[in-house]
Parts: sequence; structure tokens; C-alpha cells
Amino acid sequence: AQSVSQHNHHVILSEAASLELGCNYSYGGTVNLFWYVQYPGQHLQLLLKYFSGDPLVKGIKGFEAEFIKSKFSFNLRKPSVQWSDTAEYFCAVSSWGKLQFGAGTQVVVTP
Amino acid sequence: EPEVTQTPSHQVTQMGQEVILRCVPISNHLYFYWYRQILGQKVEFLVSFYNNEISEKSEIFDDQFSVERPDGSNFTLKIRSTKLEDSAMYFCASRPADRGIYEQYFGPGTRLTVT
Repeated sequence: AQSVSQHNHHVILSEAASLELGCNYSYGGTVNLFWYVQYPGQHLQLLLKYFSGDPLVKGIKGFEAEFIKSKFSFNLRKPSVQWSDTAEYFCAVSSWGKLQFGAGTQVVVTP
Repeated sequence: EPEVTQTPSHQVTQMGQEVILRCVPISNHLYFYWYRQILGQKVEFLVSFYNNEISEKSEIFDDQFSVERPDGSNFTLKIRSTKLEDSAMYFCASRPADRGIYEQYFGPGTRLTVT
């Protein structure tokens, strides 16, 4: 069965610091990979996605993620965070159809 | 930009009551999903729906749950006899018909509180 694990449940960092959130998945076949973000009081929004091709994908708001097939990982990065990046971040995997989510990482950026 | 909408935003009900959560997917989308997120837990898949039938459902989606697309625009989730453990945020999602596009678009969610 598919599973998705996110390494950190809670991250606190200062503005301008770099962010990296880990995501590992287990699945034997072709997968599609996603990072979703949920800002306080808002719905899930897609940050970026990987289907095929260049394993380094760029998303909205300066986020990027790297797919490393050999490590079954899809880590999210942002070189310099802002206070407005305070949110919960979810890694998700889909082989076809349904999404399987990780537990989420709550990111708090302090001014 | 078109969005998935959900109503109500918050529903409070007593245990044993039936509830219907409503979703209006994006108009040209043909795949529809329900997910739920119990407070403090991960987002869990409930059911997917395509071509007027359930295409996949999780273990959570037992006989108490049903989905319907009654009028070509709404997509509903019904819980026949709610339990305390049904309290959660319920998200509807939809995606386009093109099988090459797997991105799902989520609604804002309905917070269901069962007392």
C-alpha cells in the first residue's frame, strides 16, 4: 500500500531563513507527487507538482521541490521564507486518482 | 479563476442525525472526490466518483456514507447516522477529464461537529 511520511510535524523559523521539508513515499509504480499548502483559515492550495521530466520542479511563491527517485523522496524547499509562509504543508502522492497525504508539517515563520 | 465551493462552512449536528454536505465542483471537471481531516490528523481519502458512479472508496466509506451528483452541478456527501467520530473537516475536490492532468482542486471544506 502507498504511504507518505513527512519528517517534521512542526517547524519554527525566522524570516529570511531557508526552509526544507522532507517527504518520503513508498510505492512501487509510477507516482505523481504534490505539495499542497493550507494557510490559516483557507483551503488546500497546490504549491507544485511532479509528473515526469525534470526532477527539480518550481512552484508558486518561490517554492521548489526535488524528486529523487532512488530515495523515494520529494523534498520541498524555499531559500528565504517570509512571515506569510506560515501555514501547514502537505506532501501527497497519487498513482492514479486519489491522493494519499502525509501528516502535514506546521510551519511558523516569526518576524 | 473557477473554484470548488462547499456549503455549509460549518455544520453542527447531533449524534444519529443525517447530514448532507454539498459541493459544487469546477464546471468542466468530471472526477470528484471527498476527503476528510479529523482535527490533528492527516487528510484522508474517502471516495472518488466518475461517470455517475463510485470509482474507488476507502475503508472509512462504509454503509453510513453515500455520494450523489443529483443535478449535474452539485456533488453531495451524505452521512446517514452521524457518530461522534465523524467530526472532522470534509473537503471536496475535483479534477479535469484529461487523464494527463492529475491535479485536484480543493474546496474550502465543511467543518462537521457531531455532538
